[in-house]
Order: sequence, then structure tokens, then C-alpha cells
Amino acid sequence: SAVISQKPSRDICQRGTSLTIQCQVDSQVTMMFWYRQQPGQSLTLIATANQGSEATYESGFVIDKFPISRPNLTFSTLTVSNMSPEDSSIYLCSVDKQQGYDGYTFGSGTRLTVV
Amino acid sequence: AQSVTQPDIHITVSEGASLELRCNYSYGATPYLFWYVQSPGQGLQLLLKYFSGDTLVQGIKGFEAEFKRSQSSFNLRKPSVHWSDAAEYFCAVGARVLMNTGFQKLVFGTGTRLLVSP
Repeated sequence: SAVISQKPSRDICQRGTSLTIQCQVDSQVTMMFWYRQQPGQSLTLIATANQGSEATYESGFVIDKFPISRPNLTFSTLTVSNMSPEDSSIYLCSVDKQQGYDGYTFGSGTRLTVV
Repeated sequence: AQSVTQPDIHITVSEGASLELRCNYSYGATPYLFWYVQSPGQGLQLLLKYFSGDTLVQGIKGFEAEFKRSQSSFNLRKPSVHWSDAAEYFCAVGARVLMNTGFQKLVFGTGTRLLVSP
């Protein structure tokens, strides 16, 4: 299965600022997914990033708040913009190399605290 | 819409005892089902998955799960729990993302936290 490197692993940020999270995969993948895990909660899909097209956002998430880039088949970034304490969460990148047949691989996550 | 229910928020099991974590799903077609484990401060690790065929699926770390269509369930089991199994366990169902692509997004349950007592 694919190996994902996600950076940073954690960060503490001031409200009103932005943070960009990077997701690097060791092999080419078609789909990359960004999830949010709020404290004590399950994972919620933010958006799906397909190389060469605009990201598709889930209900409740908007591009202005969570802009995503997908410049090639091995890399994606998620930016959390104009942060507030409510954005404090773990953000995880996930990839699906073979339409789910290998299962989904997750990065180790970025633990974000907004103060 | 697809959904996953994990009715147990916390479960405490004695080391060496058997374990069963419950998962019920709602999906209109044949589901793709997954169990993931998340240790404290870690990402998610895939334990096992079900797509089709044999309804009893073997995974890593001695875990298995049984798909029961009639009950819309995919319960996770382990015959003898080890202290290192203490973690958060998530059940998930795959839902089709884009037409004609076959790629899916995952819908997760709320998780079950497993505590292992000596």
C-alpha cells in the first residue's frame, strides 16, 4: 500500500492566521481525501482532490475556508484559512490507489491547535 | 445516505478475554466495509476490509469481522485481547464518490474506545 508523509505533524497557531498542511505520497494515486477529526469525534470528510480538477467539497465545507491544491499525482495541500479555536482538530490526508480494493491509507495526521 | 453506527462508545475488556465491537451500517447497495484502529496520537491503520465473497474476513493483529447482510452488521472480533490493543476503533463504509470512477469516500462511525484491564 501507499506510504503517506504528512507535514506538519502538529502546530499551534494564532486565530486569524492560516496553516497549510502537506501530503506527499510515495506513489501516484488518483484520488486524495482530506478529513477532519475534531476532539473526541469521528472523521469527517472535508473534500476530495482529483488531480487536474477542482476539489469537491462536502456539505458544510467551503473552498474559501479550506482551499486545496493537487498539482500532481503524488502531492496535495490543504489550507485552513482565517483560523478560529473551532478549527482545532486533527487533519488527515488519505489516498485510494485502487478504487478501494487495497483499502484506504491514511497519513499520521496534523494536530492543529488554534489559540 | 450512507451511515455507520457504533453503539458502544467505550468498552473495557480484561486482558486475555474475547472482544466484539459492534458496527451497523446503512447503505443501499452491497457495501464496502472497513475497520480501522487509531492508537493515541497516531493516524489510522486498516485492520481489515470486506468487499464480497466470504463473509468472515481475517485481518491483521488477530482480528476478524463477519459481514451479516440480514442484520446490516459488520462486527469486529478478537478471541484474546492484548494490552496493546487498547485504542480507538472505527468502522467505515465506502460510498461511491464520482460517477464512472469507482472511487469511494468513506463514511465513518463515531468510534469505540477499547480499554484493556490487567
